Amino acid sequence: NAGVTQTPKFRVLKTGQSMTLLCAQDMNHEYMYWYRQDPGMGLRLIHYSVGEGTTAKGEVPDGYNVSRLKKQNFLLGLESAAPSQTSVYFCASTNAAEGGGSSYEQYFGPGTRLTVT
Amino acid sequence: AQSVTQLDSHVSVSEGTPVLLRCNYSSSYSPSLFWYVQHPNKGLQLLLKYTSAATLVKGINGFEAEFKKSETSFHLTKPSAHMSDAAEYFCVVIRGSQGNLIFGKGTKLSVKP
Repeated sequence: NAGVTQTPKFRVLKTGQSMTLLCAQDMNHEYMYWYRQDPGMGLRLIHYSVGEGTTAKGEVPDGYNVSRLKKQNFLLGLESAAPSQTSVYFCASTNAAEGGGSSYEQYFGPGTRLTVT
Repeated sequence: AQSVTQLDSHVSVSEGTPVLLRCNYSSSYSPSLFWYVQHPNKGLQLLLKYTSAATLVKGINGFEAEFKKSETSFHLTKPSAHMSDAAEYFCVVIRGSQGNLIFGKGTKLSVKP
């Protein structure tokens, strides 16, 4: 199993350009998440999905959109990139546990380093 | 609301000496807590998790953490540091029923020869 993969690994954008980050998992997980990591801030949740066709906002959703058309894929879009979106982006996935809570170990992808100039 | 505070942004130890990385949590109910590790330019790996079973949790690579409700703490320890332990460590709590993770700001561990 490849686990969680992210495409691309690196990207440089100019302000105002758009792009889509792709996350794919082969573990048949229901839940998928997008985080951004900035120095001294830990990881912050952008959007998440609890199943195919569903998405929800996380802690820092502004400027991003997401789609989950297939269970194994979770796309993160930037419609008009801004320098404040320069960050490392991580995707993660997990299985939903019956009764909730105790099995929420998330499996992370290797990250995408995005620079917006 | 659930949150975690990592008390040190940077910890430096010598190889072979004990490691202590401190984390305090805030939660209105019994939390699920995790420690993740991130080696330079890598993704995140789960070290250990607490989910209201035993209060002393053993993880990978010799790490362990103790859940102390009276102190609202979940400190990470290791008896003897290795050079390969140099990394950034994150204390994490789950918020809500959909598995949303709330990360601490991280503690960078340096290990001197």
